[in-house]
Amino acid sequence: QKEVEQNSGPLSVPEGAIASLNCTYSDRVSQSFFWYRQYSGKSPELIMSIYSNGDKEDGRFTAQLNKASQYVSLLIRDSQPSDSATYLCAVNMVTYNTDKLIFGTGTRLQVFP
Amino acid sequence: DAGVIQSPRHEVTEMGQEVTLRCKPISGHDYLFWYRQTMMRGLELLIYFNNNVPIDDSGMPEDRFSAKMPNASFSTLKIQPSEPRDSAVYFCASSSGTANEKLFFGSGTQLSVL
Repeated sequence: QKEVEQNSGPLSVPEGAIASLNCTYSDRVSQSFFWYRQYSGKSPELIMSIYSNGDKEDGRFTAQLNKASQYVSLLIRDSQPSDSATYLCAVNMVTYNTDKLIFGTGTRLQVFP
Repeated sequence: DAGVIQSPRHEVTEMGQEVTLRCKPISGHDYLFWYRQTMMRGLELLIYFNNNVPIDDSGMPEDRFSAKMPNASFSTLKIQPSEPRDSAVYFCASSSGTANEKLFFGSGTQLSVL
């Protein structure tokens, strides 16, 4: 089982719709969760972080976390063509001597006009 | 601030050659990370440093890979000898605080080993 799993997509949604991106993780003790956006040929950039169960909203983006189910999601409301990118879920993995971010392989989102 | 600076942007080399990738983190950031990205495996952490000291190198594929951070403003990732399966985009990232803080990525180095 991969440590952080995402559906590779592509996820295609029409402009104005809600895009829902999902991620599951294997480490039950993880406490920090992140969504990065990566445009084609560019580097990842952080768009959301979430640390507690429930929802966190920032503009058109909402991150949702359910630690019991080891599940984190990202909702994008009023999707725009400029949201077309790969979205990477990242989870912190803690061992006895290290604390590092592990990324999923990403979900490609396509928003069509 | 110029952000994380990586060089070169592109590197094409032949199998068996030595490759050196370079990174300058954001000034004041005390964490530096080297990641490798491929279509099949996604973004993989190779090694990270805290205050110039390597903390976790468990992601380094094998002895052909080595990384150094001689000072707070410079790091290198070296592959010797290179192999075609090393072809990937290599990203350097830096952060302040802990590994859970926001990572700032460089533009990456696209490495092609023929």
